Amino acid sequence: DVKVTQSSRYLVKRTGEKVFLECVQDMDHENMFWYRQDPGLGLRLIYFSYDVKMKEKGDIPEGYSVSREKKERFSLILESASTNQTSMYLCASSPFPTRNSPLHFGNGTRLTVT
Amino acid sequence: GENVEQHPSTLSVQEGDSAVIKCTYSDSASNYFPWYKQELGKGPQLIIDIRSNVGEKKDQRIAVTLNKTAKHFSLHITETQPEDSAVYFCVTQAGTSYDKVIFGPGTSLSVIP
Repeated sequence: DVKVTQSSRYLVKRTGEKVFLECVQDMDHENMFWYRQDPGLGLRLIYFSYDVKMKEKGDIPEGYSVSREKKERFSLILESASTNQTSMYLCASSPFPTRNSPLHFGNGTRLTVT
Repeated sequence: GENVEQHPSTLSVQEGDSAVIKCTYSDSASNYFPWYKQELGKGPQLIIDIRSNVGEKKDQRIAVTLNKTAKHFSLHITETQPEDSAVYFCVTQAGTSYDKVIFGPGTSLSVIP
């Protein structure tokens, strides 16, 4: 079974802090994704990556950046956390090509920014 | 932009009854239609999927139907059990564009024992 592991289940950070959310997958998938999930807004794509050192903006990239230095690891970075970034963050991976493959999700990181 | 509508947003059924969730989509290039189940405190997990060259697929108590002409697809769960209680998402995926993965807003299903 594919395993996508997010390093933290819960995080509490202060406004202005730099925050790193880590995600690791163990199935050698090419594609990795970061979503945020908010009540009433569903899942929204922040960034995705289809290869090492490659990244593409999703629907809501503002205030976020990503890093993919190794194939199995995809990091989401909040350069200066703000309260409106309080949310559930979900990492996912999929093999290439995405069009015919399901996403495999981690269990999420619930981030609270105070 | 492209979107996926999903109905109902909440659904409550008695244990043993059937549940049906319906989705409509706008992108005619969509060719892969997975369904995800998200239990409390967990990430979404794939439960069944269907490709555009297939009209129906069944896996034990779960079935999915697809009508590409009308651009709608449905999830059917028969003989529901309390452990089916979760949020269900329909999804469309299209073409070779990595960001053409569109989630429906979700249906919260409650199965009452």
